[in-house]
Amino acid sequence: SAVISQKPSRDICQRGTSLTIQCQVDSQVTMMFWYRQQPGQSLTLIATANQGSEATYESGFVIDKFPISRPNLTFSTLTVSNMSPEDSSIYLCSLGQRFNTEAFFGQGTRLTVV
Amino acid sequence: GDSVTQMEGPVTLSEEAFLTINCTYTATGYPSLFWYVQYPGEGLQLLLKATKADDKGSNKGFEATYRKETTSFHLEKGSVQVSDSAVYFCALYSGNTPLVFGKGTRLSVIA
Repeated sequence: SAVISQKPSRDICQRGTSLTIQCQVDSQVTMMFWYRQQPGQSLTLIATANQGSEATYESGFVIDKFPISRPNLTFSTLTVSNMSPEDSSIYLCSLGQRFNTEAFFGQGTRLTVV
Repeated sequence: GDSVTQMEGPVTLSEEAFLTINCTYTATGYPSLFWYVQYPGEGLQLLLKATKADDKGSNKGFEATYRKETTSFHLEKGSVQVSDSAVYFCALYSGNTPLVFGKGTRLSVIA
């Protein structure tokens, strides 16, 4: 199993500001994923972060709004830029998605934009 | 593309009632199927999984059987407890994309 440390666990931010969420893993992994969970909704994939290359963004998400860094095999950050109240969500990092094993998730960052 | 359809919630049950949460999927190939649970204030954790047709995943009294003929993976528990109150997500992994999740079903169990 993998241990994922995600922080901050929650934050309340002013609109127009940016927040960087960190995800630290206790082992080296090639691919990490960032999800958004809007209130009462399911998880939506934002992007896939590979070490050593640009992140791959899903439809509806752009790098200017959600820049991602992946400096090494154990760490990634997601920044939510120029926030608005619509960005209020839980953001989760994930890894380990395979056919016969579980995926692991960080505990999530609960973001409220006021 | 791959997709998961999950029954709408919320579901409210009395303690010791029988639970079924329906889940059907559309996928290319032969995906692995998962149920994840999210307890209040916590992150997602795997509840059970099945990786091929007719497999039955089970954990903590919950069961789900991978039915290829009906493309379903319904979650069941014979006797729910208050501590089972959570949001349950059905998900699939086909290897083509990262995990695809259903919309989640909120379960509330009352004593």
